[in-house]
Amino acid sequence: RKEVEQDPGPFNVPEGATVAFNCTYSNSASQSFFWYRQDCRKEPKLLMSVYSSGNEDGRFTAQLNRASQYISLLIRDSKLSDSATYLCVVNPGGSYIPTFGRGTSLIVHP
Amino acid sequence: NAGVTQTPKFQVLKTGQSMTLQCAQDMNHNSMYWYRQDPGMGLRLIYYSASEGTTDKGEVPNGYNVSRLNKREFSLRLESAAPSQTSVYFCASGSPSYNEQFFGPGTRLTVL
Repeated sequence: RKEVEQDPGPFNVPEGATVAFNCTYSNSASQSFFWYRQDCRKEPKLLMSVYSSGNEDGRFTAQLNRASQYISLLIRDSKLSDSATYLCVVNPGGSYIPTFGRGTSLIVHP
Repeated sequence: NAGVTQTPKFQVLKTGQSMTLQCAQDMNHNSMYWYRQDPGMGLRLIYYSASEGTTDKGEVPNGYNVSRLNKREFSLRLESAAPSQTSVYFCASGSPSYNEQFFGPGTRLTVL
């Protein structure tokens, strides 16, 4: 089993739709979790951290389920500019080496 | 603050040539990383440096060497480039709190 798994997609949704991605991880000792966004031919950029209690930033909501070992990202009212690849990142406790998922591609169309 | 900077942005090499990719960060981070990204493969860690003076191999270190010159700078060297090293190379630095990473803009390398 891969350490961090994501559905590669693409998720093809209309503007205004709500879309959700999940990411599963295998290391139960993982301590910190993030979602990154990567535009085509650009560097990954931190979108948001994922806290145990869940957190929201505008149209974006991230949640952590430690029991089932997955994190999720919900995007409400999708915009054309949300089209990108979303990378899930998991940090094992006590390690400097984060583990990246391969990403989920989102395409928002008019 | 510039964040993480990388040079060059683009490079074309012939097989067997050598080159050094430069990376610098101005965020006072201890940890720095070199990744490569190939289509369909995701990000793969080449080398990392947990702090100034230390370096360690990542998932795909063969064919590469690194130098942590000081706290700010972390360079990646290809001694004898091969076509299999054609890729996009990203440098990143990690914050000490939760180790979220900040990436440079990348170097697009083609080896002919």
